[in-house]
Amino acid sequence: QVQLVQSGAEVKKPGSSVKVSCKASGGSFSTYTLSWVRQAPGQGLEWMGRIIPVLALTHSAQKFQGRVTITADKSSTTAYMELSSLRSEDTAVYYCARVPIAVDGSWDSYGMDVWGQGTTVTVSS
Amino acid sequence: QSALTQPPSASGSPGQSVTISCTGTSSDIGGYNYVSWYQQHPGKAPKLMISEVSKRPSGVPDRFSGSKSGNTASLTVSGLQAEDEADYYCSSYAGNNALVFGGGTKLTVL
Repeated sequence: QVQLVQSGAEVKKPGSSVKVSCKASGGSFSTYTLSWVRQAPGQGLEWMGRIIPVLALTHSAQKFQGRVTITADKSSTTAYMELSSLRSEDTAVYYCARVPIAVDGSWDSYGMDVWGQGTTVTVSS
Repeated sequence: QSALTQPPSASGSPGQSVTISCTGTSSDIGGYNYVSWYQQHPGKAPKLMISEVSKRPSGVPDRFSGSKSGNTASLTVSGLQAEDEADYYCSSYAGNNALVFGGGTKLTVL
């Protein structure tokens, strides 16, 4: 049974950075991508970006380009999302989620079938 | 990469059917068959209900079905049950390796 376990809640000052981890267990790290999705209080889901661990390739939403860094450590099957220059609007629950890579090699065909439990990041002075 | 458009709310009585729409453009929904739907109960992580427009993952009741016409995708919940009350989100591949979500629809079972 594949599980994604995320790091604990964080409280950060405006202008600082936060790094959230997502450890995968029970499956092969090479057969899926990992996306990061956030949800501000009372708001909807927002896709931030993804990493394809087997290729060490990342993509990010235009909104977060230059501010988000997504990495993965294949040896520990852990992915990381670092968001810099934090502002109050970044207060949200941050989720990692798995998308299996399709047989034709595409990484956007399937949906996010396994999610982490979420990490609350609060940005406050 | 603008968010997909969903109605903020939908409702139905137990046993009835309800359909939630998700409208995009030819650059996302209309251009690819990579639409997914997620259910989210309060305080919980989202759960995948539909992928690739109309495919149900194992364990998802067949009361949930998905479809697409042009730039609009739809999720239909038949035989509404109390536990279906939740927020529902659509998502689509949007080209250039990007994904986009809808704003979400709160489904109320009356």
